[in-house]
Amino acid sequence: GAGVSQSPRYKVAKRGQDVALRCDPISGHVSLFWYQQALGQGPEFLTYFQNEAQLDKSGLPSDRFFAERPEGSVSTLKIQRTQQEDSAVYLCASSLLTGNTEAFFGQGTRLTVV
Amino acid sequence: QKEVEQNSGPLSVPEGAIASLNCTYSDRGSQSFFWYRQYSGKSPELIMSIYSNGDKEDGRFTAQLNKASQYVSLLIRDSQPSDSATYLCAAQLSGSARQLTFGSGTQLTVLP
Repeated sequence: GAGVSQSPRYKVAKRGQDVALRCDPISGHVSLFWYQQALGQGPEFLTYFQNEAQLDKSGLPSDRFFAERPEGSVSTLKIQRTQQEDSAVYLCASSLLTGNTEAFFGQGTRLTVV
Repeated sequence: QKEVEQNSGPLSVPEGAIASLNCTYSDRGSQSFFWYRQYSGKSPELIMSIYSNGDKEDGRFTAQLNKASQYVSLLIRDSQPSDSATYLCAAQLSGSARQLTFGSGTQLTVLP
């Protein structure tokens, strides 16, 4: 695709509900990243995939957060038993593996837990 | 100390002026630096990348990197009201996989 595509754009979840956020990276981009952005802050790293391999998940805030990229393209970020503190914008970015490391972001998913 | 620090602002400049945005980083081994622009309610948009000491110009934007001082800046010449946004500085820290570490952003307002 022309850019990174994320869905849904907005998600309202009741506390305790599970949610799944989808990211479709730029075609040919091997690297895929998930970030969490709270209001008024810069994005915070969650996890990184190179193809289907999850090489770094050090930023995931708890074991309620799980990400996968089974075929090395589309990725899903799943949050189980959502809490109010999970409310944020979840951003996906992708980049080429070789050469420069410029990363391009999708539109994000705004998650509100009520 | 945060790994990437920016003046949170807000910064206001008149239309046509030069806007100067600053960023410092703590990891001396960092090699790659980026400036993103983020309009309210939108996602970050990459506007500049810089990898070596000195200046890099792209249209009205100039990024400056000084690795000895661990300092990155972004100059916006002939500022326009459409430049009003939050500007995020990001670095790829040494030892990280490939992810970026962001500052908290500087909010810029260009006054007509």
